[in-house]
Amino acid sequence: SQQGEEDPQALSIQEGENATMNCSYKTSINNLQWYRQNSGRGLVHLILIRSNEREKHSGRLRVTLDTSKKSSSLLITASRAADTASYFCAPGSSGSARQLTFGSGTQLTVLP
Amino acid sequence: DVKVTQSSRYLVKRTGEKVFLECVQDMDHENMFWYRQDPGLGLRLIYFSYDVKMKEKGDIPEGYSVSREKKERFSLILESASTNQTSMYLCASSQTRNEKLFFGSGTQLSVL
Repeated sequence: SQQGEEDPQALSIQEGENATMNCSYKTSINNLQWYRQNSGRGLVHLILIRSNEREKHSGRLRVTLDTSKKSSSLLITASRAADTASYFCAPGSSGSARQLTFGSGTQLTVLP
Repeated sequence: DVKVTQSSRYLVKRTGEKVFLECVQDMDHENMFWYRQDPGLGLRLIYFSYDVKMKEKGDIPEGYSVSREKKERFSLILESASTNQTSMYLCASSQTRNEKLFFGSGTQLSVL
């Protein structure tokens, strides 16, 4: 299995601004997923983009995937204080591995 | 929606004690996982299981064992707890390999 590496490690923005987080990975994938974690809680699945997709939307979330650069980005538009959380990417391997692994995430703080 | 329940939210144990962390999912998922999360280190995979009575080592299995006697239940066992096992433990399950994990709320374990 492989883990994604999120960048930046921390991001602080004002409410209403857009937040962009990036993810890089090393080997070929079937899909890439983004998760959110509120402080002291479990992770929650946000969105999955498959390797043959370039962009996907879900509400205020927009995810892009560039398999040639082995990178993905998560954009949260019109951010709210409630979006304050850690965000993790998880590359889904195209091999036989059943498990996902996670990096250290991006800590997003949205200031009211 | 899928529910993954971890038996304890907070747990305090003494060095040398045998510790059981229980996890139950209610959606007949094949795959179950145990992660630990430490500041600056992200989530690290301890063990996972893709079928009853099956288990596979993750990235950091030392000092841990697991049990999966029933499909819905996956237990993490610390045979002799040590202070370096103080951590947040997260259980997760999924139906499809490498797709959409559902996480429990986590158990914050302190070993004194």
